[in-house]
Amino acid sequence: EIVLTQSPGTLSLSPGERVTLSCRASQSVSSSDLAWYQQKPGQAPRFLIYGASTRATGIPDRFSGGGSGTDFTLTISRLEPEDFAVYYCQQYDSMPFTFGPGTKVQIK
Amino acid sequence: EVQLLDSGGGLVQPGGSLRLSCAASGFTFDKYAMSWVRQAPGKGLEWVSGISGRAVTTYYTESVKGRFTISRDNSKNTLYLQMNGLIAEDTAVYYCAKVGSDRYYFDHWGQGTLVTVS
Repeated sequence: EIVLTQSPGTLSLSPGERVTLSCRASQSVSSSDLAWYQQKPGQAPRFLIYGASTRATGIPDRFSGGGSGTDFTLTISRLEPEDFAVYYCQQYDSMPFTFGPGTKVQIK
Repeated sequence: EVQLLDSGGGLVQPGGSLRLSCAASGFTFDKYAMSWVRQAPGKGLEWVSGISGRAVTTYYTESVKGRFTISRDNSKNTLYLQMNGLIAEDTAVYYCAKVGSDRYYFDHWGQGTLVTVS
């Protein structure tokens, strides 16, 4: 099983700031089979990124993904008020498909 | 517009059973794999099970094998999760999720249905 680790656990930031979230895999994720999701309290996750760097339909270009192998990132270039949420990475390279524990981005 | 409507959750005693349903619309249902993902209270996301578009192949995470059965009725555009032998650790919000076009990422999610085992 591929274990995903996300860091940091919580970030306190202000609107307008740039943030980079990290997702590290316990073994190489082939074909960059990594996705990112955003979740707000009481809501279902929202699909953001797949293939490590391809934005899903309708996702603003302030969101960008990168990385390969075991190290991946999600960058939000300028935080908007609606971006404060929990972010999860997920690998779909091999079963069981696994998620990271999440990074909470909260308002400072 | 893709819509997934989860239902069937509730309170059940340990050892009991429950069947979840997910009504899908807005896409050609039988062309896409579907999955169930759960989230225990205050915890992260856990993939539970998946099924191919024509229901030929099913997949389960280890902790639910032999207890949960995923199925689908393509004539009704509906996904199911039959849960038997429920234990306290199964307590979670269960989301149905549409699988991406060719890989197991989840591009649309239902609103979730809460299962409480107590």
